[in-house]
Amino acid sequence: EFVLTQSPGTLSLSPGERATLSCRASQSVTSSYLAWYQQKPGQAPRLLIYGASSRATGVPDRLSGSGSGTDFTLTISRLEPEDFAMYYCQQYGGSLPITFGQGTKVEIK
Amino acid sequence: EVQLVESGGGLVKPGGSLRLSCAASGFTFSDYSMNWVRQTPGKGLEWLSSISTSSSYIYYADSVKGRFTISRDNARNSLYLQMNSLRAEDTAIYYCARAFGESGLWGQGTLVTVSS
Repeated sequence: EFVLTQSPGTLSLSPGERATLSCRASQSVTSSYLAWYQQKPGQAPRLLIYGASSRATGVPDRLSGSGSGTDFTLTISRLEPEDFAMYYCQQYGGSLPITFGQGTKVEIK
Repeated sequence: EVQLVESGGGLVKPGGSLRLSCAASGFTFSDYSMNWVRQTPGKGLEWLSSISTSSSYIYYADSVKGRFTISRDNARNSLYLQMNSLRAEDTAIYYCARAFGESGLWGQGTLVTVSS
């Protein structure tokens, strides 16, 4: 089974700073079927990035995804107040079960 | 508006059953595979089951195989999850989700609590 390990568990930053979130897979992710989601309290996860680097509709360009194989990164170039939330990575292609990382919390410092 | 709306959650005793529904609107439901995912504070997000557009292909996580059954009714734009032999560890928020990847869309979730 695919294991996705996200780091760090918590990222404490100030608005305007750069956030770098990591997602490492236990085996290579097929065709970069790697997604990133944002979740705020009481809300469902919202798709941000699919295919490792493609932004979903309506996602601002200060958010970007990169990586391939087993190492993936979500970068938020300049944190806005609405970016403070939980972030999850997910692998969804090729191998079942579909799995999620345990999440990274981006909190206000 | 493109949306998914889950219903059917609630309190159920261990060993009991519950049927969740997910109503789709704003898009051609029959064009998309669908999924159920649950979330707990302890285990995070857990994929449970997927069903293809015509129900030809169905997959389950080991944790629910043999207890949960996914189904869909394309004429009613609806997805279902029949949950039997419920356990305390099935307590979670249950989400329906449209095909993962570019088409990704999640409902707001429905809470299932398994307790005596």
